[in-house]
Amino acid sequence: QSALTQPASVSGSPGQSITISCTGTSSDVGGYKYVSWYQQRPGKAPKLMIYDVSNRPSGVSNRFSGSKSGNTASLTISGLQAEDEADYYCSSYTTSSTLGVVFGGGTKLTVL
Amino acid sequence: QMQLVQSGAEVKKPGASVKVSCKASGYTFIDYYMHWVRQAPGQGLEWLGWINPNTGGTNYAQKFQGRVTMTRDTSITTAYMEVSRLRSDDTAVYYCATGGTTYWFDPWGQGSLVTVSS
Repeated sequence: QSALTQPASVSGSPGQSITISCTGTSSDVGGYKYVSWYQQRPGKAPKLMIYDVSNRPSGVSNRFSGSKSGNTASLTISGLQAEDEADYYCSSYTTSSTLGVVFGGGTKLTVL
Repeated sequence: QMQLVQSGAEVKKPGASVKVSCKASGYTFIDYYMHWVRQAPGQGLEWLGWINPNTGGTNYAQKFQGRVTMTRDTSITTAYMEVSRLRSDDTAVYYCATGGTTYWFDPWGQGSLVTVSS
């Protein structure tokens, strides 16, 4: 299974909005509404931020939102805050090779 | 609340095996699949597979078939993941994670560092 494609890094200033893309194929992102996004801070386990493309778990700020168009999913963070600086990973259900899960390579978000 | 607590760090020699445990609490263990994900130093996340705690059925990523074995003990609500024939590139933090039927993961265990070195 090839990893989903994410930009290696994005940056933004406090208060701004940023978007992280996650590109796959029709066997994963494009074929199912099973895209999730995770935030990972150094030395910590990933934290679920978005599931099923656009749903936010209880306790996650409404500054985080998700969407999908074709084979590309996106995570948007509005009103950037210093605490948002972290690595972000997308994942999707996949039917290529193994029926399972594939992750993106990760995006480092820097808050300037 | 749902919680997963993993076993501690391990150091193994190439060719050996390692077995990581994941103790679940705060929910009905057999109701949610348990997934395993690893992260090599400075690298991204990689999915290894899942086990259905109710039936013991498993599904492994193609890359790990034949080298990874997932099991569980429902009497102590614990899942296990064993990697055999370890190589240096198996050095990673191994996470267990559970979650919804649509392949999202929450919560995650704290991670178990496995170091493979001669």
